[in-house]
Amino acid sequence: DTEVTQTPKHLVMGMTNKKSLKCEQHMGHRAMYWYKQKAKKPPELMFVYSYEKLSINESVPSRFSPECPNSSLLNLHLHALQPEDSALYLCASSQGEGSDTQYFGPGTRLTVL
Amino acid sequence: SQQGEEDPQALSIQEGENATMNCSYKTSINNLQWYRQNSGRGLVHLILIRSNEREKHSGRLRVTLDTSKKSSSLLITASRAADTASYFCVTQGSNYQLIWGAGTKLIIKP
Repeated sequence: DTEVTQTPKHLVMGMTNKKSLKCEQHMGHRAMYWYKQKAKKPPELMFVYSYEKLSINESVPSRFSPECPNSSLLNLHLHALQPEDSALYLCASSQGEGSDTQYFGPGTRLTVL
Repeated sequence: SQQGEEDPQALSIQEGENATMNCSYKTSINNLQWYRQNSGRGLVHLILIRSNEREKHSGRLRVTLDTSKKSSSLLITASRAADTASYFCVTQGSNYQLIWGAGTKLIIKP
């Protein structure tokens, strides 16, 4: 199984809502990533988890809160988002944090009203 | 952060023709990778070339790397409609983080 799954595919939320994005992989990978991608731009790294511990936070605002409940799951909790946070949120995994190839999920298209 | 630039930003060719995309980067690297992104299959890793390699092939893909010029090219031969996508050049240096280029949008016309 070389698949990374993400739910939901689409999410529309108001600025006062709280929602969560979910990501799952069953490849035994020990590193997982959250990226944000705006239209016509490359992905931007947000967070890296290595062995279920937060390894990198790329100065992401606290309204984004990552969580890694176990080695297969990665969540991104959203609270009090702004319209400019509307984007495609991609999850990825790799064998280890230093591994060269990352496997991406299909993404969650988020719209903040 | 962005490592470098891809050239061209957009490319439109007839089905069956070859497509060539170029990438330049700024710092020393361990490897350079190409990813493809389209609406149907998402973001997919295509090919990786290590800093001590000059050329690599995978199916219809050919990648070259010139570390002295800090540049790479991706050649797709005998293009198909399914090759329509954005192609990203991604470098990985000693800190292991992936640095993404801006991407080339490739359109294959039937």
